[in-house]
Amino acid sequence: DAGVIQSPRHEVTEMGQEVTLRCKPISGHNSLFWYRQTMMRGLELLIYFNNNVPIDDSGMPEDRFSAKMPNASFSTLKIQPSEPRDSAVYFCASRPPYEDEQFFGPGTRLTVL
Amino acid sequence: DQQVKQNSPSLSVQEGRISILNCDYTNSMFDYFLWYKKYPAEGPTFLISISSIKDKNEDGRFTVFLNKSAKHLSLHIVPSQPGDSAVYFCAANIYSGGGADGLTFGKGTHLIIQP
Repeated sequence: DAGVIQSPRHEVTEMGQEVTLRCKPISGHNSLFWYRQTMMRGLELLIYFNNNVPIDDSGMPEDRFSAKMPNASFSTLKIQPSEPRDSAVYFCASRPPYEDEQFFGPGTRLTVL
Repeated sequence: DQQVKQNSPSLSVQEGRISILNCDYTNSMFDYFLWYKKYPAEGPTFLISISSIKDKNEDGRFTVFLNKSAKHLSLHIVPSQPGDSAVYFCAANIYSGGGADGLTFGKGTHLIIQP
């Protein structure tokens, strides 16, 4: 079975550009989470969805960040405009119903120059 | 304000010995705890978990201990093997039984197993 799929795996962009990160959760999972990992702050939750509905986006750093989940098999995290301090590894995770274990994708390493 | 703290950024242990990774938390509402293991260039993978109604959970070489009064948990790996070299994250949650709460992670401990 395929795990959580994230694309791209690496993204290098210039400050001010729009960046879109993509995630395909594991089939049958009904919760999806976006995390960001930095040296300073570690792994922090940005936003999560339950049954495609955003539940809590209090971790989103600012209005430049937005996330969507148009259907059960796809989610995007968009940064517009990007800034150098957004450089980090972004992980997507999904979770099956009635479970607490989350399954993580391999991450997208974002570098904003 | 870190609600989940792993105060040791790194830990070096000899192969065959016991590795003990520690984690403290401040939010008394947390009642479900998980350990994740992460290799470079990969996402974290689930290792073991414990509910606050227990004080110990064991799975093969891995045992997690929970001390609720001290708000402290630890992960024991016995015996340690070279493949255990990785970053270990402690995570906590308010048990949702399938609700959609996200995990609160510590900053991780880099475990290095010396041959």
